[in-house]
Amino acid sequence: EADIYQTPRYLVIGTGKKITLECSQTMGHDKMYWYQQDPGMELHLIHYSYGVNSTEKGDLSSESTVSRIRTEHFPLTLESARPSHTSQYLCASSLTGVNNSPLHFGNGTRLTVT
Amino acid sequence: AQSVTQPDIHITVSEGASLELRCNYSYGATPYLFWYVQSPGQGLQLLLKYFSGDTLVQGIKGFEAEFKRSQSSFNLRKPSVHWSDAAEYFCAVGATGYQKVTFGIGTKLQVIP
Repeated sequence: EADIYQTPRYLVIGTGKKITLECSQTMGHDKMYWYQQDPGMELHLIHYSYGVNSTEKGDLSSESTVSRIRTEHFPLTLESARPSHTSQYLCASSLTGVNNSPLHFGNGTRLTVT
Repeated sequence: AQSVTQPDIHITVSEGASLELRCNYSYGATPYLFWYVQSPGQGLQLLLKYFSGDTLVQGIKGFEAEFKRSQSSFNLRKPSVHWSDAAEYFCAVGATGYQKVTFGIGTKLQVIP
């Protein structure tokens, strides 16, 4: 029943390749986020956006970049993938309001860089 | 800075037994608190949330959590665990205005027959 979609679900790619992880949501949420998740570690926020043309870096330094040209779309790009980028990437969205809404997550993209 | 501690990395319970997953948070003001569940290969699904009011919060799938300000805790409970509850559970705290959410490292729940 996910209203936030991530593609691809799994990606195995060689070192040096450029990749884009897609994230789209149909809920009209203004805020969107990218988290990085590794086993046994807390989720780390790497990018977030308050709305169209807004992007901010999160707590964890990342070599990836993001863009927010449309409300529903928040892709993440790695210009040159490295094995250290191997991880699970989770996209999320939320709606600004008086009672701030919780995060809604996609199913994630598991990236392996060989 | 806000932080979340989930002291139990892995918990095993028998099907039908009760469950309590511990969560302690650190935050200077009244926090927004959440519990999420993640099944293998899936994203995180919200179980329940606390913003204000009644300190006992009911969530989906028969889960509840109790906010105890004096103990800085937000423990998750379920009276009778089902095999389908096997998953990883994440506690999270959000700042006022909800600019950021900090997650714990998660507790992996195993359910045995």
